[in-house]
Amino acid sequence: AQSVTQLGSHVSVSEGALVLLRCNYSSSVPPYLFWYVQYPNQGLQLLLKYTTGATLVKGINGFEAEFKKSETSFHLTKPSAHMSDAAEYFCAVSESGSDSGNTPLVFGKGTRLSVIA
Amino acid sequence: EAGVAQSPRYKIIEKRQSVAFWCNPISGHATLYWYQQILGQGPKLLIQFQNNGVVDDSQLPKDRFSAERLKGVDSTLKIQPAKLEDSAVYLCASSFGQIPYEQYFGPGTRLTVT
Repeated sequence: AQSVTQLGSHVSVSEGALVLLRCNYSSSVPPYLFWYVQYPNQGLQLLLKYTTGATLVKGINGFEAEFKKSETSFHLTKPSAHMSDAAEYFCAVSESGSDSGNTPLVFGKGTRLSVIA
Repeated sequence: EAGVAQSPRYKIIEKRQSVAFWCNPISGHATLYWYQQILGQGPKLLIQFQNNGVVDDSQLPKDRFSAERLKGVDSTLKIQPAKLEDSAVYLCASSFGQIPYEQYFGPGTRLTVT
């Protein structure tokens, strides 16, 4: 069964500093990988996703993530944090393959990002 | 385009009462998901529909939870009777179902069982 581990339930960075949120997955084959962001009292919004191709994926709001098969990781980064980045971030995986377009997501427990002025 | 709509946004009930949540997916999205998000955890799938058929309900507590998607459009999730541990945010998501697919989430319904 697939699983997702997000290291650090809470990460705090200064405004302008590098953001690094860690995600490791467990899967028998490389899955599809996603990062979602959740602002208070809102649903989840997709930041970026990896399905196939280039392993460095760029998303919205300046975020990017790199798929590293050898490390089974998909860490999320942003060079310079902004106050508006404060939110909950979830890493998720789903089965890959031509018949798996509709498989549900398996989420990590989330990492709350705080940005200090 | 309009997003995924959910109602109500908040609901407070006493244990053993019943409650229902409604979800209207994005127009044309064949796949609909209900997730349960307990405080401090990531969302967990309860049930997945493809059009009006159930694809996966293996994690749905069927003794108290039920869901339907009549006519393959909007969906209702019901809890009867509710328990304290059902307090959570219930998220509805929909997808177009083509690879690479993306799930679009509604704002959720926050349920508090007292």
